[in-house]
Amino acid sequence: GAGVSQTPSNKVTEKGKYVELRCDPISGHTALYWYRQSLGQGPEFLIYFQGTGAADDSGLPNDRFFAVRPEGSVSTLKIQRTERGDSAVYLCASSLILQGIYNEQFFGPGTRLTVL
Amino acid sequence: AQTVTQSQPEMSVQEAETVTLSCTYDTSESDYYLFWYKQPPSRQMILVIRQEAYKQQNATENRFSVNFQKAAKSFSLKISDSQLGDAAMYFCAYRSASPKLVFGAGTILRVKS
Repeated sequence: GAGVSQTPSNKVTEKGKYVELRCDPISGHTALYWYRQSLGQGPEFLIYFQGTGAADDSGLPNDRFFAVRPEGSVSTLKIQRTERGDSAVYLCASSLILQGIYNEQFFGPGTRLTVL
Repeated sequence: AQTVTQSQPEMSVQEAETVTLSCTYDTSESDYYLFWYKQPPSRQMILVIRQEAYKQQNATENRFSVNFQKAAKSFSLKISDSQLGDAAMYFCAYRSASPKLVFGAGTILRVKS
């Protein structure tokens, strides 16, 4: 059916506030990925999930960033005590895993986060 | 760590003509995948073409083809018969056995009518 969806499309917050960004993957996709794209740059990997567990969170910049995927479908990226440097587009992607091989990643339209 | 370099911040092409976007990468792996993604102003990344490193034959998808030079660690994208709808940011990306993608900084492609 539908592709990867992300909400909200845009989020403006104040420095120090807490934000949650949501990703709805394509139905049946076991793998889910988060990337961050700063202005004028390519996306940078943050974390990916295989089912409910974080398989690799090596890209999270610090402990203010946290992501969950409790039921193996929807994922939420949580940012505490936001800083102006967190302003970016946060992209989510999902993919199938077939016989242990990760297939093509399908991306959502992203959430543009602006921290004032 | 793997890196991907796109040395052309911006390129222009006349409609119906051909343009080539450059990409080089650095890795010590022997088995990996390379990709070109298109990102229009809507922000949604769209896969244009992929290449498996073990395949010697260059991948093609309609008007899009790649020139994969494994020894030189080069992976360029050729767009033939350019169309106005091809205007976008193009990203070269790499991945190895891990599924996490490593992206270049991107090339803005402008198509002139």
